[in-house]
This record gives sequence, C-alpha cells and structure tokens, in this order.
Amino acid sequence: AQTVTQSQPEMSVQEAETVTLSCTYDTSENNYYLFWYKQPPSRQMILVIRQEAYKQQNATENRFSVNFQKAAKSFSLKISDSQLGDTAMYFCAFMKHGVNRDDKIIFGKGTRLHILP
Amino acid sequence: KAGVTQTPRYLIKTRGQQVTLSCSPISGHRSVSWYQQTPGQGLQFLFEYFSETQRNKGNFPGRFSGRQFSNSRSEMNVSTLELGDSALYLCASSLDPGVSTDTQYFGPGTRLTVL
Repeated sequence: AQTVTQSQPEMSVQEAETVTLSCTYDTSENNYYLFWYKQPPSRQMILVIRQEAYKQQNATENRFSVNFQKAAKSFSLKISDSQLGDTAMYFCAFMKHGVNRDDKIIFGKGTRLHILP
Repeated sequence: KAGVTQTPRYLIKTRGQQVTLSCSPISGHRSVSWYQQTPGQGLQFLFEYFSETQRNKGNFPGRFSGRQFSNSRSEMNVSTLELGDSALYLCASSLDPGVSTDTQYFGPGTRLTVL
C-alpha cells in the first residue's frame, strides 16, 4: 500500500522568505503522479503543482518548485518569496497512473503553513 | 470553464437521517471522485465514478454510496447518519484516468454536520 508522510505538521515563516515543505512517500509503483495541493482557510482545495514520476526534471510553477528525488521517494515543495496569501494547509498527494486504481489517491496529513507579516 | 460545483455547501442533519450531496464536474470531465475530510482522519478516498460506473471504492461502510449520471454529474448518499459522519465532503473531477494529463480539480466541498 502507498503511504505519504508529511513530517512537518506546522511551519511559520516571514513574508518574502523561502520555505520548504517536506514529503516522503512509499510505493512499489514505477509510474505515478505526485501533487501538492493548497487548502486556504476558505477550504477550497487548489492544485499547486504536479510531477510525473517518469520526468526527471523538477516541476516549477512561478514561485513554487519541487525537488523530486525518485530513488529517495522524496517530493518537497519550495515556495520562494512567500506571500501572505500562501498561508494555508498544504497537502502532498500520491496517485497511481492509469485506470482501475485501488487506493486511487493518497494524501498526507498536511502541513499548516503560516506566512507572517 | 466553470469549476467543480458542489451543493449544498452546508448541511445539518440528525442521527439516523440520510443525506444526498451533489457534484457537477468541470465541463468535459468524465471522472468524479469523492473524499471525506475530518480533523482526525484527514482526507480519505470514498469512491470514484467514470462513465456512470463506480471504478474504485475506498474503505467505507455500505452506508456510503454514490452514482453518476450521463452528464457526469454525481451524487453521494449517506444513509443512517452517525455523529462520526460529520465532515467536509469534497468532490474532485478529472478528464479521464487513462489520459496522461490526469489531474484532479476539487470543488469547494459540502460541510455536513450530524447532530
């Protein structure tokens, strides 16, 4: 069974600083997707960034980038130039590729990130 | 495109009642998944529907059921409600699990409170 572990329950950083959220996972799958989702206090879950396991290049979306280490089964999220609007719960998620997937998507417990003014 | 919509947004029920939640996916999306989010258990997968067929199911009792209509809209039903069913129920849609661009987009959720 797949597992996703986020070892940092809560973090606080000053605005404009860079912060890295950790995520490790365990799987025997070779082809899969990894995601970071953001859930602000409004509760709408928003996709931040996505990584296909077969791609060696780390995904980047504006101020958000990942450090994907497939062999180490690590998928950390870096937020550069953090902004007050980045305050949210961040979930790391693992999803198998393809159809007929049991345990379709597994989420970590989340990291609550506070950006301080 | 309009995002995933869920109705109602808030719901209060009493133990023993049943409830039906609705989810309309993004236009063109054929897969709809449901999740339960609670402070204690976090986000847990309930089930997924694709082309009106339940494809996968999580580890929930049979009181939780769902269906999908020909227009891809989905409903989730919980019968004989228990206090522990109080949660945020999230719906997510995706294009097609067989397509490489398989990303789920979430709705705002339905907050269910069972008294």
